[in-house]
Amino acid sequence: TQLLEQSPQFLSIQEGENLTVYCNSSSVFSSLQWYRQEPGEGPVLLVTVVTGGEVKKLKRLTFQFGDARKDSSLHITAAQPGDTGLYLCAGRSLNDYKLSFGAGTTVTVRA
Amino acid sequence: ETGVTQTPRHLVMGMTNKKSLKCEQHLGHNAMYWYKQSAKKPLELMFVYSLEERVENNSVPSRFSPECPNSSHLFLHLHTLQPEDSALYLCASSQIKTGGGEKLFFGSGTQLSVL
Repeated sequence: TQLLEQSPQFLSIQEGENLTVYCNSSSVFSSLQWYRQEPGEGPVLLVTVVTGGEVKKLKRLTFQFGDARKDSSLHITAAQPGDTGLYLCAGRSLNDYKLSFGAGTTVTVRA
Repeated sequence: ETGVTQTPRHLVMGMTNKKSLKCEQHLGHNAMYWYKQSAKKPLELMFVYSLEERVENNSVPSRFSPECPNSSHLFLHLHTLQPEDSALYLCASSQIKTGGGEKLFFGSGTQLSVL
């Protein structure tokens, strides 16, 4: 199992503010995924990044994969209450393609 | 119905009870998974079934017993659980392809409390 550390653990911001959450590891991944989990529901895949340095945008969400494919960030612009949830990163190992999850960042956007 | 459906949504059981969690996927996927989610801890992969064969068992105690009768259904049979087994149990499915990279589709989970 490869360890992914997510930071911060909790984040509470006002509607309209920007935020960034991080996913770091000492291991290199073949790909990395971000999921969002809302209360009472299962995680839902947001994006998969594959290439080192890759940047993907999904409306107000920007995902970046580190050049060395060991870390990733998620930036939300002008956060809305609907962005509230637990954000999980998951990295797929190079050798056996197993998926390892981080513990997540709980984001609360106050109206 | 579409997606991945789990029942029940909530379960409270005593340490001597026997219960089963059910999962059904309507996506035509060839793999199904059981994950355990505890507060402040990463999702823990418990079991993986590919084409109805168990391909992974991550040192899960024998008080958890999975069953996959066909590619659309997955069960987790529970008996003599411990309070530390209280958690959210998530089922997921995916279409496994060569080289990995598949996407997981999760159910809403069963919130289990063991008294």
